[in-house]
Amino acid sequence: NSKVIQTPRYLVKGQGQKAKMRCIPEKGHPVVFWYQQNKNNEFKFLINFQNQEVLQQIDMTEKRFSAECPSNSPCSLEIQSSEAGDSALYLCASSPQGGAYEQYFGPGTRLTVL
Amino acid sequence: QQQVRQSPQSLTVWEGETAILNCSYEDSTFDYFPWYHQFPGESPALLIAIRPVSNKKEDGRFTIFFNKREKKFSLHIADSQPGDSATYFCAASGASNNAGAKLTFGGGTRLTVRP
Repeated sequence: NSKVIQTPRYLVKGQGQKAKMRCIPEKGHPVVFWYQQNKNNEFKFLINFQNQEVLQQIDMTEKRFSAECPSNSPCSLEIQSSEAGDSALYLCASSPQGGAYEQYFGPGTRLTVL
Repeated sequence: QQQVRQSPQSLTVWEGETAILNCSYEDSTFDYFPWYHQFPGESPALLIAIRPVSNKKEDGRFTIFFNKREKKFSLHIADSQPGDSATYFCAASGASNNAGAKLTFGGGTRLTVRP
């Protein structure tokens, strides 16, 4: 069973509002990923970190999305100005090492933008 | 560009039968191929994974068959149980994704096992 913790489980925001979600990776896992899963079950990679450093991020993340993984604090993903199309399940995953290795998902934060 | 294709979209089998889920990929630098299952209202859970050095990986009732030449891999679920009913996703990652090794997912197969 995954030991990745995500909060909150559900988040409801109005358009234009900020939406922030947090993730605590599994202990000992230095690599953290954020994915978006939409209602059609399509996954979109957003950003990943190794320790506190960004490894890779997509354009969407570079514009309205911000994310960080500070040392000794939860990782976070924040949408600066929510849009209806951002409604989705946001999944955090952690991995025991960089490169192509197993990723374990947390329970997710389901965001609804009204 | 859809780099990982999954079929069928939906599959129904009877309890005790073997369910076969298929995936194909395009990027020859992919070198890690996991399968996840996801129950309604839950997040994906890692089921089993394989690397191209092997052409078969077994874990209980679950077996991955891998064909590097054809860039295809499949998940076989033997003795299917109603509790196996879920959506299954194949995925791939590797050197082409730079240091981050993000997962590229297939579109999912919704499996229903009838008692």
